[in-house]
Amino acid sequence: EAGVAQSPRYKIIEKRQSVAFWCNPISGHATLYWYQQILGQGPKLLIQFQNNGVVDDSQLPKDRFSAERLKGVDSTLKIQPAKLEDSAVYLCASSLNGRVAAGEKLFFGSGTQLSVL
Amino acid sequence: AQTVTQSQPEMSVQEAETVTLSCTYDTSENNYYLFWYKQPPSRQMILVIRQEAYKQQNATENRFSVNFQKAAKSFSLKISDSQLGDTAMYFCAFMIRTTDSWGKLQFGAGTQVVVTP
Repeated sequence: EAGVAQSPRYKIIEKRQSVAFWCNPISGHATLYWYQQILGQGPKLLIQFQNNGVVDDSQLPKDRFSAERLKGVDSTLKIQPAKLEDSAVYLCASSLNGRVAAGEKLFFGSGTQLSVL
Repeated sequence: AQTVTQSQPEMSVQEAETVTLSCTYDTSENNYYLFWYKQPPSRQMILVIRQEAYKQQNATENRFSVNFQKAAKSFSLKISDSQLGDTAMYFCAFMIRTTDSWGKLQFGAGTQVVVTP
């Protein structure tokens, strides 16, 4: 079974530039998550999709971050414009139906490491 | 709001020895789940073990076991017979058990485990 695919693996940009990350979840998984992991901290949920609808984006800085999952499969996360404090690893995860609280397993990708200079 | 605290930034252990990682959490909820995730240098988060708060019996998975003390809000992870492949960041995580299934994982800051030959 193929895992959660993410690209690029690394990205270096200057502040005020734009950047986009891509995620392809496990086939058949309805729920897709984007997490931000700042160095020295645990991952923090940015946005959760159920199919192509947003379930939770309460911690997404909407003035500069946006995400979409148009066809309910793969997803892109965009930052425009980037700030120094956006330097982090951006992890994508997926689960079958979002029922992690009921025992469903969460599968993570290997993340994109973003450095903003 | 729930908080998860991991007070040990780094732990070192020799091969075949045992190491215990501590985790404490703060919540007013009674029904919840606790998790330990492993993040190797590949950055892919992997579920190690899961504990339902309503179960008194401590969860075990091969060489990994937990000591769950609900009254003390403590959830430690014991790694027995440590192997070089256990070298990774270990994150404790918390999720409220909800009927609508959109539970949100709350992670601690992590403990780096280094297994030496």
